[in-house]
Amino acid sequence: NAGVTQTPKFRILKIGQSMTLQCTQDMNHNYMYWYRQDPGMGLKLIYYSVGAGITDKGEVPNGYNVSRSTTEDFPLRLELAAPSQTSVYFCASSLTSGSFEQYFGPGTRLTVT
Amino acid sequence: QKEVEQDPGPLSVPEGAIVSLNCTYSNSAFQYFMWYRQYSRKGPELLMYTYSSGNKEDGRFTAQVDKSSKYISLFIRDSQPSDSATYLCAMRTQGGSEKLVFGKGTKLTVNP
Repeated sequence: NAGVTQTPKFRILKIGQSMTLQCTQDMNHNYMYWYRQDPGMGLKLIYYSVGAGITDKGEVPNGYNVSRSTTEDFPLRLELAAPSQTSVYFCASSLTSGSFEQYFGPGTRLTVT
Repeated sequence: QKEVEQDPGPLSVPEGAIVSLNCTYSNSAFQYFMWYRQYSRKGPELLMYTYSSGNKEDGRFTAQVDKSSKYISLFIRDSQPSDSATYLCAMRTQGGSEKLVFGKGTKLTVNP
């Protein structure tokens, strides 16, 4: 049982490039989330999903896209990367909407230069 | 006014000290209150949660909620170097919302 896994661990992008951050969970959780964490700024919700085929915007969705074709996978797409997207990205999952325990992945450190 | 306020610290204490970490909030609809612990370069993990007001104890950790003051606390007794981490408070309303609202986190260092 690996929990929530994220790839890559680190990435450097040039301005205007695109990339996909991968997230997979093996706990059969319905709910999945993408956060970004900037130094001293806490966690900001980017997008979330309540099940396969259903996604919704969080607090800071601009510049990102998501899809949820399976229960296990919830990739985050960055189009036209900008320096403001330099951050640590965390994927998380939870069993139900009533669950306050979210299980986090190890994070992806992204630098856009 | 931000929904959740948390002093980012950093906080440095000697081993064995009692540590007090706090958050204030503005949304009176919050009913669930959580503390997550995040070690350096790792994802957060749930440490404790409480529902509505009151105290909850788990070993060396005690979580307190004062809804009348919109103030929550986490106390760590007999602090250990292994407690060195960033502690994030998080809150959510009851029912209907999948979203947690996080504080900025307080970085704690316990010195041996």
